[in-house]
Amino acid sequence: AQSVSQHNHHVILSEAASLELGCNYSYGGTVNLFWYVQYPGQHLQLLLKYFSGDPLVKGIKGFEAEFIKSKFSFNLRKPSVQWSDTAEYFCAVAGTYKYIFGTGTRLKVLA
Amino acid sequence: NAGVTQTPKFRVLKTGQSMTLLCAQDMNHEYMYWYRQDPGMGLRLIHYSVGEGTTAKGEVPDGYNVSRLKKQNFLLGLESAAPSQTSVYFCASSSFPAAPVSSGNTIYFGEGSWLTVV
Repeated sequence: AQSVSQHNHHVILSEAASLELGCNYSYGGTVNLFWYVQYPGQHLQLLLKYFSGDPLVKGIKGFEAEFIKSKFSFNLRKPSVQWSDTAEYFCAVAGTYKYIFGTGTRLKVLA
Repeated sequence: NAGVTQTPKFRVLKTGQSMTLLCAQDMNHEYMYWYRQDPGMGLRLIHYSVGEGTTAKGEVPDGYNVSRLKKQNFLLGLESAAPSQTSVYFCASSSFPAAPVSSGNTIYFGEGSWLTVV
């Protein structure tokens, strides 16, 4: 079955701290992976996506993610978080005809 | 650029009432989706459509019906609302099927509809 697991449900960091959010997926076909961000009261917006090629993907706002096939992982990273990064982050895998989302990680950045 | 538009944004229903959420996209996308978002459960797919006139069940279809009479619109209906359907509903669309996915494909979301059933 296709699934996505996000192990960190809540993360609290101070500004300038480094961030890594875990994402593991289960999917048997060609893997297409995404990270979306949802700021408070807003809809989901695409941060970055992986389709093929370089497993290190760079997205908007200084975020990056690394696809590690052997670990079935697609972890999101940012070297130095800002207060404005406070949001909920969703990992997703593209399955057949639909996208499967993880349960989300709520990030709170303290100023 | 309107993208994906959902109406209404907020609605309060009494148990047993019916209502329809409307989703409209202006990107000529073939694929449309309805998700519900609940705390701690992420986004769960209710129904989706792979083209005009088609619909299919997602993970949590019970209590909902959908229709895709026009390519640009995807309607989500609640025939007899229940408190368990209190949620935030997101419509989304994409230009290609999720797999195989071209480098240009992505899924675009509407701004959400907050529904409370009392």
